[in-house]
Amino acid sequence: GENVEQHPSTLSVQEGDSAVIKCTYSDSASNYFPWYKQELGKGPQLIIDIRSNVGEKKDQRIAVTLNKTAKHFSLHITETQPEDSAVYFCAASRFGGMRFGAGTRLTVKP
Amino acid sequence: GAGVSQSPSNKVTEKGKDVELRCDPISGHTALYWYRQRLGQGLEFLIYFQGNSAPDKSGLPSDRFSAERTGESVSTLTIQRTQQEDSAVYLCASSFSRGAQETQYFGPGTRLLVL
Repeated sequence: GENVEQHPSTLSVQEGDSAVIKCTYSDSASNYFPWYKQELGKGPQLIIDIRSNVGEKKDQRIAVTLNKTAKHFSLHITETQPEDSAVYFCAASRFGGMRFGAGTRLTVKP
Repeated sequence: GAGVSQSPSNKVTEKGKDVELRCDPISGHTALYWYRQRLGQGLEFLIYFQGNSAPDKSGLPSDRFSAERTGESVSTLTIQRTQQEDSAVYLCASSFSRGAQETQYFGPGTRLLVL
């Protein structure tokens, strides 16, 4: 089955710096890759996603890149703000289910 | 519109008791998922429903766990004879269908504590 690995498990940055979170997946049939943000006491919320026919997608300060050959994808957050502090999960989906990474706890220091 | 809702938001129970958790998916979403999230951990798939098809129960950790769904609406996750290791947040998600590229939308979760 699909195995998704996510790094780092924790990340601390200064406000205004960039943050990068990386994920790798094992199943080459996976073709949809969402990223979720989970704030304390809440359920995960979709922040951006990318499909396999696209290499990069950007939405304001957030961007995701996908390298299908290497089977890895990354989340980039620029100009980080304290409200970006949360746990971020990547996921890889193919017909038959979605598997999640273990999460990255991002802390943005003011 | 309304998102996925779950109840109760918090549940404290004694070891050995049964608990029932409820999920109301987004209207029109045919697919519904249950996940377990232990403290500081990732999302562990439990069970999935798609329309009238047989549910995918491959993630249920033991026969103490079961779930039902009425048509394409409410689902209940039941844990019988709860154990302390069942303490976790139970998350429900729904999607329009179970296609490979369908976004899952999560509810706020039920925080279960077994004493």
